[in-house]
Amino acid sequence: EPEVTQTPSHQVTQMGQEVILRCVPISNHLYFYWYRQILGQKVEFLVSFYNNEISEKSEIFDDQFSVERPDGSNFTLKIRSTKLEDSAMYFCASRGGQGTNYGYTFGSGTRLTVV
Amino acid sequence: GENVEQHPSTLSVQEGDSAVIKCTYSDSASNYFPWYKQELGKGPQLIIDIRSNVGEKKDQRIAVTLNKTAKHFSLHITETQPEDSAVYFCAATSPNTGNQFYFGTGTSLTVIP
Repeated sequence: EPEVTQTPSHQVTQMGQEVILRCVPISNHLYFYWYRQILGQKVEFLVSFYNNEISEKSEIFDDQFSVERPDGSNFTLKIRSTKLEDSAMYFCASRGGQGTNYGYTFGSGTRLTVV
Repeated sequence: GENVEQHPSTLSVQEGDSAVIKCTYSDSASNYFPWYKQELGKGPQLIIDIRSNVGEKKDQRIAVTLNKTAKHFSLHITETQPEDSAVYFCAATSPNTGNQFYFGTGTSLTVIP
């Protein structure tokens, strides 16, 4: 069964440092997403990406965040200057299309710890 | 925007018993309601979904019911097994919310052997 692959599985970084979280979506999917889950809280939408541009973003996705699909296979989330409150599980997801015929496929997540 | 509430936050059942998890939503335009199972160290996995033109859907031991009037939907797991132990999330999406899903806070289900 096709999978969404995320690396690394766990990242520890110093406050103020830049981090890049990597995702390889399912190859024929067109829509890509980042969600995050702070420990004990609900999964929250960050950003959606389609046709090489951001289609939606949440209030959480401020100027410190950026996404990129540099080579047609990888989908990355960059946090420029990490804060303690950025510590969370970050999930990448992809969909084959829009509408209710297409559910998300999630990756296993990257646990980001900012110290 | 959409607000999804989920109850209970934790649930323990004896193996073989049934488990029910309930969610409510606020946006009457929501038309797709997936349920995800998240095992420790893994990402959420879709286990069943229901669309707004359907009142109930069943897949082996798992069923989902939808009450559009009351704006709530429920996950039912029958004959629970220890491997059903996980965190379950409900979600909702509507044409008004574009691409994104709104998730409930999750239910940690423990099936006691």
